[in-house]
Amino acid sequence: DAGITQSPRHKVTETGTPVTLRCHQTENHRYMYWYRQDPGHGLRLIHYSYGVKDTDKGEVSDGYSVSRSKTEDFLLTLESATSSQTSVYFCAISDPARERNEQFFGPGTRLTVL
Amino acid sequence: GENVEQHPSTLSVQEGDSAVIKCTYSDSASNYFPWYKQELGKGPQLIIDIRSNVGEKKDQRIAVTLNKTAKHFSLHITETQPEDSAVYFCAASMKASGGSYIPTFGRGTSLIVHP
Repeated sequence: DAGITQSPRHKVTETGTPVTLRCHQTENHRYMYWYRQDPGHGLRLIHYSYGVKDTDKGEVSDGYSVSRSKTEDFLLTLESATSSQTSVYFCAISDPARERNEQFFGPGTRLTVL
Repeated sequence: GENVEQHPSTLSVQEGDSAVIKCTYSDSASNYFPWYKQELGKGPQLIIDIRSNVGEKKDQRIAVTLNKTAKHFSLHITETQPEDSAVYFCAASMKASGGSYIPTFGRGTSLIVHP
């Protein structure tokens, strides 16, 4: 997995609690992304970052915030988790300077909100 | 925004048969079309991609075709093997500010290859 780690890999939490997921890369890629994957919905973009402190919303950003204070780290925060946010979350990276525009995905974090 | 439809949602074939997965997209500005394979418990991985200035691309047993006029593209896998069993995602992308491509994914096709 192209130098991408996600932590934690599994988490169970209760409705209303804050949750932060971390993505760490060692590839020095400029772009980082957070997706959620749900049965029947494929991969849906939550937020992405195109540089340190530069972020933008994806199609399902409500209820989520992100921060990127260093090139290598991209944090996803659920301020007050809800059961609808139970999902598998994937981080991805890419870099427009590379010849190929592919995204490299992390191993995923399975989040369960009770 | 972009909308990508992918069919079928499940595809079951016998080893050695061919498999075809089809996608359509809505935004004519999309110009980069990657395909990802996701094995159980792992993140998706790029297997092939095609740009809008090319109609077909092949890599060993995998090929992708693109019809810009009709806004559809397809993945073809020949001589399928059990290790091809996975979920496959198509995506349509256009260049975002900063130069990278932000893909919109289809909902995925679960391919099952029976030995």
